[in-house]
Amino acid sequence: GAVVSQHPSWVICKSGTSVKIECRSLDFQATTMFWYRQFPKQSLMLMATSNEGSKATYEQGVEKDKFLINHASLTLSTLTVTSAHPEDSSFYICSARIKRATSTDTQYFGPGTRLTVL
Amino acid sequence: AQSVAQPEDQVNVAEGNPLTVKCTYSVSGNPYLFWYVQYPNRGLQFLLKYITGDNLVKGSYGFEAEFNKSQTSFHLKKPSALVSDSALYFCAVRDINTDKLIFGTGTRLQVFP
Repeated sequence: GAVVSQHPSWVICKSGTSVKIECRSLDFQATTMFWYRQFPKQSLMLMATSNEGSKATYEQGVEKDKFLINHASLTLSTLTVTSAHPEDSSFYICSARIKRATSTDTQYFGPGTRLTVL
Repeated sequence: AQSVAQPEDQVNVAEGNPLTVKCTYSVSGNPYLFWYVQYPNRGLQFLLKYITGDNLVKGSYGFEAEFNKSQTSFHLKKPSALVSDSALYFCAVRDINTDKLIFGTGTRLQVFP
């Protein structure tokens, strides 16, 4: 099946620093990529949807200036957590949908990135 | 609005026994339904999906799901559980208006030896 990778798999940083997470679709081109956040023992919360070459669409309540998303190519999207604070600590998961997407196309998920802000 | 519900926070089953993880949905129009599994500290792995066609959908790792329109359900099943099936399972529906996946709250499956 389609493979989505994320890097890094975990990161620990100091409060106030910025962290960049990469999401790559390894064997397919992704028209659309999604970024989710998951708190312990909870479901996934969609943060934003990004389309290649255009600005990301953020969900209500998600600060676009804090969570910068760039979808530079059909295989790469990045999420930058700017000026991270302890409350940003979470598990971040990206997802990609194959090009020529229709409502029936499957989303494939990356392995996730565990962010811990000290 | 489209939604899915997973009524059980946890399901316990003995190895070798059949397992069922429940999911019900509420949609306007045709439902596009998915099951994903999540192992600890990992992303979600796609198991199977229902778009149209046969009500019994076969997926990865021996899992299958039965689409029941009259009961608006899409339960995940496996004839014989393995300890390695222990994980968190998510049911999801694609919202046709927004084209986004809407997830249930997840069901933790625990298979005991």
